[in-house]
Amino acid sequence: GAVVSQHPSRVICKSGTSVKIECRSLDFQATTMFWYRQFPKQSLMLMATSNEGSKATYEQGVEKDKFLINHASLTLSTLTVTSAHPEDSSFYICSAGGPGIQETQYFGPGTRLLVL
Amino acid sequence: GESVGLHLPTLSVQEGDNSIINCAYSNSASDYFIWYKQESGKGPQFIIDIRSNMDKRQGQRVTVLLNKTVKHLSLQIAATQPGDSAVYFCAENIRGSQGNLIFGKGTKLSVKP
Repeated sequence: GAVVSQHPSRVICKSGTSVKIECRSLDFQATTMFWYRQFPKQSLMLMATSNEGSKATYEQGVEKDKFLINHASLTLSTLTVTSAHPEDSSFYICSAGGPGIQETQYFGPGTRLLVL
Repeated sequence: GESVGLHLPTLSVQEGDNSIINCAYSNSASDYFIWYKQESGKGPQFIIDIRSNMDKRQGQRVTVLLNKTVKHLSLQIAATQPGDSAVYFCAENIRGSQGNLIFGKGTKLSVKP
């Protein structure tokens, strides 16, 4: 149980384009989803927290207009990187939590973004 | 700000030996802790968790110890196998923080055959 998927697993795009990453909880209802960013050999950095049906809460220093988050249902959250630039290249990981699994977060497999 | 840290950034062990990965936390309001394993190019995988009202919790080949007095957390892996090679992160949840986890820097575990 507590399986989280992400799509795509890897994406390469041109500078200036937008990229959408999907995060789905497959076997539980995720009332809260989290989006992280991870640079090579570093820890996970929380970008934002999203609750189903409400606006995401962004961490300090994360531009909400650049990283658009939508959590329209209890099983799906999307992160859109708008007008991507090479410095946005990173490993993006989502996690999900929900009733019955307390504070435990279950992570997706991650999405590797490369902006050329 | 307060954060979770680790004593050892890398750990190399012989296959079959026991591994101990340590983690220090600084927020006394943390009441829930999780260990995650992350293999290269993958998302973190839940290993084991522990609440602050416990000192020890055991899983399959893994044990987590919590010492609240010195704010220290450890993960013990028995009979370490090559498949255990990964980066291990401890994470803490601060009471009342909407479930947000604070991650430590990570320890890379390498298992020599």
